[in-house]
Amino acid sequence: DAGVIQSPRHEVTEMGQEVTLRCKPISGHDYLFWYRQTMMRGLELLIYFNNNVPIDDSGMPEDRFSAKMPNASFSTLKIQPSEPRDSAVYFCASSGDRGLNYGYTFGSGTRLTVV
Amino acid sequence: AQKITQTQPGMFVQEKEAVTLDCTYDTSDPSYGLFWYKQPSSGEMIFLIYQGSYDQQNATEGRYSLNFQKARKSANLVISASQLGDSAMYFCAMREGIGTDKLIFGTGTRLQVFP
Repeated sequence: DAGVIQSPRHEVTEMGQEVTLRCKPISGHDYLFWYRQTMMRGLELLIYFNNNVPIDDSGMPEDRFSAKMPNASFSTLKIQPSEPRDSAVYFCASSGDRGLNYGYTFGSGTRLTVV
Repeated sequence: AQKITQTQPGMFVQEKEAVTLDCTYDTSDPSYGLFWYKQPSSGEMIFLIYQGSYDQQNATEGRYSLNFQKARKSANLVISASQLGDSAMYFCAMREGIGTDKLIFGTGTRLQVFP
């Protein structure tokens, strides 16, 4: 099992540019979560999906952020336009069987820097 | 209001000694789950241990145990026989209630193990 795969590992972009983060969950997991980690705010849940359907996006900071899950093996988090305050580590996590008494499995994260 | 509180920003422990990392939580829901994650300097989030609110016994996983005191709403992580590789950030998290799959994290405790 390759685990949760995120790409890219690092992204540096200029303010105003569009950024797309990608995630491949563990096969068979029906929940997918996007988290953001910053020093100031810690780990924040942005949005999560169940069976490819967005269930709760209340953590999405603003309209510049959008997330999709077109199929069970792929999700994207897009920021357009990006701003310096979006700089953070973005984690994708997946789980199965209503999760999770056995923990959510996290990807390695994408470190985003907006200059 | 903070749902998960970790009051120790940093802890030091000598190798081979035991250490307790504190976590208190706040919920009025009778059904919830508590998790601990480890985040080494490399950045990945590693699931350590889980405790369900209805579990009668404290959870254990190898050198990790969870000291669950329901009345006090605390879920402290005990690491026995500390190793240098245990140096990392440790996060307590809660999944609250039935009908939600959100995992809410505390601010973390940085543990440093010295020889």
